Amino acid sequence: KNEVEQSPQNLTAQEGEFITINCSYSVGISALHWLQQHPGGGIVSLFMLSSGKKKHGRLIATINIQEKHSSLHITASHPRDSAVYICAGEGGSNYKLTFGKGTLLTVNP
Amino acid sequence: NAGVTQTPKFQVLKTGQSMTLQCAQDMNHEYMSWYRQDPGMGLRLIHYSVGAGITDQGEVPNGYNVSRSTTEDFPLRLLSAAPSQTSVYFCASSYSPANTEAFFGQGTRLTVV
Repeated sequence: KNEVEQSPQNLTAQEGEFITINCSYSVGISALHWLQQHPGGGIVSLFMLSSGKKKHGRLIATINIQEKHSSLHITASHPRDSAVYICAGEGGSNYKLTFGKGTLLTVNP
Repeated sequence: NAGVTQTPKFQVLKTGQSMTLQCAQDMNHEYMSWYRQDPGMGLRLIHYSVGAGITDQGEVPNGYNVSRSTTEDFPLRLLSAAPSQTSVYFCASSYSPANTEAFFGQGTRLTVV
């Protein structure tokens, strides 16, 4: 069974801080998605990666296949980064997504 | 491009009523799926489709039906609503099932009383 675990569940930061959200997954996952969901809002895809590192603006995602671990980093955090960040593993039959429970990030001004 | 469009955004149903949640995408994506999101749980797959005319069950299919008569549309039908189906529903699409970005709709918040 594919499983995805995120940590921490909740994270509060001050504006400008460097943020790290972690995601561990079980065997059978071939790619990892990072998603963002603002309160009451829809879900937006941030990254999809199967190896290495990707960067978009202040967001960086890394994945270590051997250790079955991925991280999402936010540099120079801003209150508008406040959202739920979700990691999802892709794998198994028909490449279905298995979702973590999400990390609620609050960035205070 | 509108992306993935879900309607309605909010809905209240009485127990036993039926309804259809609409999902449409204009990106010519083959893969479409429906998820439900409940507090304290990750999104769970209800049904998915790998192309027009092909659907399959996900993790929590009971009480829901889907069809895929066109590439663009993937409606989700609740046959006889139950309070346990109170949830936020998301439709998603991607070009292929594997290794491609997933696009999500804005969600439908459904309450069954």
